[in-house]
Amino acid sequence: EVQLVESGGGLVQPGGSLRLSCAASGFTFSSYWMSWARQAPGKGLEWVANINLDETEENYVDSVKGRFTISRDNAKNSVYLQMNSLRVEDTAVYYCVRDPSGQPPDHWGQGTLVTVSS
Amino acid sequence: AIQMTQSPSSLSASVGDRVTITCRASQVIRNDLGWYQQKPGKAPKLLIYSASSLQSGVPSRFSGSGSATDFTLTITSLQPEDFATYYCLQDYNYPFTFGPGTKVDIK
Repeated sequence: EVQLVESGGGLVQPGGSLRLSCAASGFTFSSYWMSWARQAPGKGLEWVANINLDETEENYVDSVKGRFTISRDNAKNSVYLQMNSLRVEDTAVYYCVRDPSGQPPDHWGQGTLVTVSS
Repeated sequence: AIQMTQSPSSLSASVGDRVTITCRASQVIRNDLGWYQQKPGKAPKLLIYSASSLQSGVPSRFSGSGSATDFTLTITSLQPEDFATYYCLQDYNYPFTFGPGTKVDIK
């Protein structure tokens, strides 16, 4: 069974930083791209970033470019999202998502809440 | 970025009804479209990929169609567990973009 477990969310002040982690199990992690997506309270879904198998390609939504960095550690079956210069509008539940090449992201974690507020 | 629109934004339906949700892309995306179901407080669940392929384990009452810019999700004989919000997603190019969602509630 595919499992994705996010951690690292919490309350942070505007301008601060946070690092999200996602532990994957139940599939061959090194064979899949991985994505992060988010959902602001009461709002729709937004894809944030993804990363390829060997970290040679990363893609980001414009609103986080230059502030967020996605990375992975295939030895630890984990993917990360480093979030810097956080803004109030980054407040959301952040989901880790498995991203099969050529198909839309399929399996989602349960999410971790990030709140940016003073 | 490719803009995705959905209609309607919400609908009320009864158990047993046939429900159709449409999604339109601002440019041609071939058949690179997925449909997701999300229930309150839960993570989204992939229902359909490549516009018309049923994800493993998803009931056959869900179907998708369309290509290029216009797509449809159909639920035949709506069940109580189908009341949820439905989103389309284009994975044709980056950034991937979602539609704004269609909330299906009980009439």
